[in-house]
Amino acid sequence: QLQLQESGSGLVKPSQTLSLTCAVSGDSISSAGYSWSWIRQPPGQGLEWIAYIYHGGSTYYNPSLKSRVTMSLDRSKNQFSLKLSSVTAADTAVYYCARGRDYDDTLGIFDHWGLGALVTVSS
Amino acid sequence: DIQMTQSPSSLSASVGDRVTFTCQASQDINYYLNWYQQKPGKAPKLLIYDASNLETGVPSRFNGGGSGADFTLTISSLQPEDIATYYCQQYENLPYTFGQGTKLEIK
Repeated sequence: QLQLQESGSGLVKPSQTLSLTCAVSGDSISSAGYSWSWIRQPPGQGLEWIAYIYHGGSTYYNPSLKSRVTMSLDRSKNQFSLKLSSVTAADTAVYYCARGRDYDDTLGIFDHWGLGALVTVSS
Repeated sequence: DIQMTQSPSSLSASVGDRVTFTCQASQDINYYLNWYQQKPGKAPKLLIYDASNLETGVPSRFNGGGSGADFTLTISSLQPEDIATYYCQQYENLPYTFGQGTKLEIK
């Protein structure tokens, strides 16, 4: 049974860097045919896709956040990470990690999600 | 970016009713459309992928349709456990984008 679990800083000061990790169990993040994404949801609002990293290590970042986002894989720990720099209050959200299933040469079917981690940006 | 517009923003219906949500893309996305269900305080759950394919384990009362730019999600007979917010999401183009959601309530 695939499970994803987010962890990281719950409170971040403005202008600092948000760091989150998603631990994956039940499957290898190196398995072909899947990507690993971060998606966020500000309180009471809708969903915004942030970025993905493919099993081979290639990444794609949402252009709206590209200058501030970095994703990485840690194959030894079977986890992947998100760093978002220069945060402001607008970055306050629940951050979800999710697996994207390869279908018809796309990677945008999010079939498994973590429980979510609330990150608050405040001084 | 492709804009996804969902209507209505909220919907109230009775148990047993047939309920339909709509989602419109700002351009042709073929059939690259997913539907998710999100209950309060929970992560979204994939219901439908590829516009009309039911995800494994999802009840058959959920049905997706459409192609191009106009899509629907129908619940054939509303159950109390279906109370949630429903989101559509396109994966035709990067960045992937979601609709703003339709909140479903029971009358």
